Amino acid sequence: TQLLEQSPQFLSIQEGENLTVYCNSSSVFSSLQWYRQEPGEGPVLLVTVVTGGEVKKLKRLTFQFGDARKDSSLHITAAQPGDTGLYLCAGARTGGFKTIFGAGTRLFVKA
Amino acid sequence: DTEVTQTPKHLVMGMTNKKSLKCEQHMGHRAMYWYKQKAKKPPELMFVYSYEKLSINESVPSRFSPECPNSSLLNLHLHALQPEDSALYLCASSQVSGGAFFGQGTRLTVV
Repeated sequence: TQLLEQSPQFLSIQEGENLTVYCNSSSVFSSLQWYRQEPGEGPVLLVTVVTGGEVKKLKRLTFQFGDARKDSSLHITAAQPGDTGLYLCAGARTGGFKTIFGAGTRLFVKA
Repeated sequence: DTEVTQTPKHLVMGMTNKKSLKCEQHMGHRAMYWYKQKAKKPPELMFVYSYEKLSINESVPSRFSPECPNSSLLNLHLHALQPEDSALYLCASSQVSGGAFFGQGTRLTVV
């Protein structure tokens, strides 16, 4: 069974702080995605990483795919209340559609 | 157009009812998915259609019946559901590989 473990599960920080969320597995993934989900809505795709060691930036968000393609991290710089939400990582193995999700990190940014 | 449209947004049905959830995308994606999400849990994969053929069924009970009439449409037919089937049902689509675009979901309540 391939599992994606996310940490931390919950994070409450002040506006302006930096944070990192981790997504780890013992399995190799052909690609890994990060999503953000608001209550009662569908997840919104933030980024897809496919190459080991890849780093992608989206404004204040930096995503990294591990060299061995087994783990990923999401770093948020100077968090804002609008960043509040559930962050999910998801991965699929080579040639497969079976995407599995991590349990998610619930982020709350206080003004 | 980067939208996945799901209807209805909310559905309340009795255990003897038959209803259908609908999903539509016009991004030319050839993979379409149904996920089920319970409160405070990540999405769980139910079905995957690839090129309009069912490629993955995650041992879903037969009271859930998927249908893919064409490359843009995906339906989920519901019959004789149980109260524990109440959840947010999410449709998603993707290229053959890569991140998925999710609809806003159908909030289903079985009474």
